[in-house]
Amino acid sequence: EPEVTQTPSHQVTQMGQEVILRCVPISNHLYFYWYRQILGQKVEFLVSFYNNEISEKSEIFDDQFSVERPDGSNFTLKIRSTKLEDSAMYFCASSRGTGADTQYFGPGTRLTVL
Amino acid sequence: EDQVTQSPEALRLQEGESSSLNCSYTVSGLRGLFWYRQDPGKGPEFLFTLYSAGEEKEKERLKATLTKKESFLHITAPKPEDSATYLCAAVIKGAAGNKLTFGGGTRVLVKP
Repeated sequence: EPEVTQTPSHQVTQMGQEVILRCVPISNHLYFYWYRQILGQKVEFLVSFYNNEISEKSEIFDDQFSVERPDGSNFTLKIRSTKLEDSAMYFCASSRGTGADTQYFGPGTRLTVL
Repeated sequence: EDQVTQSPEALRLQEGESSSLNCSYTVSGLRGLFWYRQDPGKGPEFLFTLYSAGEEKEKERLKATLTKKESFLHITAPKPEDSATYLCAAVIKGAAGNKLTFGGGTRVLVKP
């Protein structure tokens, strides 16, 4: 069964450093998402992406964040200058269609900012 | 403001003891209501989508129902392997990017 994959599973970085989190969505899906979950808190929407453009972004997704689909299979989230409060689990998701089509989640990347 | 609220926060059950989890939503218009299961340190695993009031979906020991204001996830005769956090999430009409708005989850522990 196709699944969303994410690398790395755990990333440790120093405050102020840039990180890139990588995702391979399900191959015939067209819509891509990033969510994050701070320990003990709700899963929060960051950004959605379709047709090489951002469809929607939350207030969390400020100028320090960017997303890219550099080739036909990868979808990346870059944090330019990490802060302590960026420490969280970051989940990539993908869906085939729009509206209430099912979003399938990857296993997550645990980002720890020291 | 669109909100999704789950209760209880935690639930301890004996194996075989059926129970229900609640997800209430106050949103401007519901496009779909999702239930996911999340194991510790893992990503949400899709269970059900419900689109309109009165709809029901079933999978093994789980059954999800939807009314105009809330959704229930019924766990019938649970087993220890049903221990997980159950998340509900809404997609709201008019949202450009199909974002999911999540509730806080219900942590379920089923003891043998």
